[in-house]
Amino acid sequence: NAGVTQTPKFQVLKTGQSMTLQCAQDMNHNSMYWYRQDPGMGLRLIYYSASEGTTDKGEVPNGYNVSRLNKREFSLRLESAAPSQTSVYFCASIFRTDGEQYFGPGTRLTVT
Amino acid sequence: GENVEQHPSTLSVQEGDSAVIKCTYSDSASNYFPWYKQELGKRPQLIIDIRSNVGEKKDQRIAVTLNKTAKHFSLHITETQPEDSAVYFCAANNFNKFYFGSGTKLNVKP
Repeated sequence: NAGVTQTPKFQVLKTGQSMTLQCAQDMNHNSMYWYRQDPGMGLRLIYYSASEGTTDKGEVPNGYNVSRLNKREFSLRLESAAPSQTSVYFCASIFRTDGEQYFGPGTRLTVT
Repeated sequence: GENVEQHPSTLSVQEGDSAVIKCTYSDSASNYFPWYKQELGKRPQLIIDIRSNVGEKKDQRIAVTLNKTAKHFSLHITETQPEDSAVYFCAANNFNKFYFGSGTKLNVKP
């Protein structure tokens, strides 16, 4: 039981490049989330998916797209990376919305 | 959307003392309030949570209180130890979305 996994762990992009961050969970959770964490700040919700086939915007969705490929996988895509997207990205999943949220190990992204 | 404010941003206590971190939220529809501990370079980990139909919850040295009328909730850590040093985040769940406070860096001095 691996929990929530994320790839890659680290990534450096040049401005304008694109990339996809991958997230998978093996706990049969319904809801999945993508957050970003900037230095000295809390987590801010980018997008979430309440169930397979559905996605919804969070607090800071601009510049990102997501895909809930199946119940296990939820990917985050940056189409044209900007320096303002330099951050640590966390994926999380939850079985029910008043239950424990499990986080992945994070992806540290730097955009130069 | 929901707005969660957290205070203080830093807190320094002597080992054995108590620590209290406070959060307020803006939307009375929020119904679930978790607290997370995050060590440097690690992922957030749930330490305690409380649902809106409960006023207080305790787990060993950690307790959380919720005042729905005033829309605030607090984390209490008693008998602090050096390993309690970390950043603590509160959060509120509002219609399936989680909103986080900005964090409190707790330093427990031996």
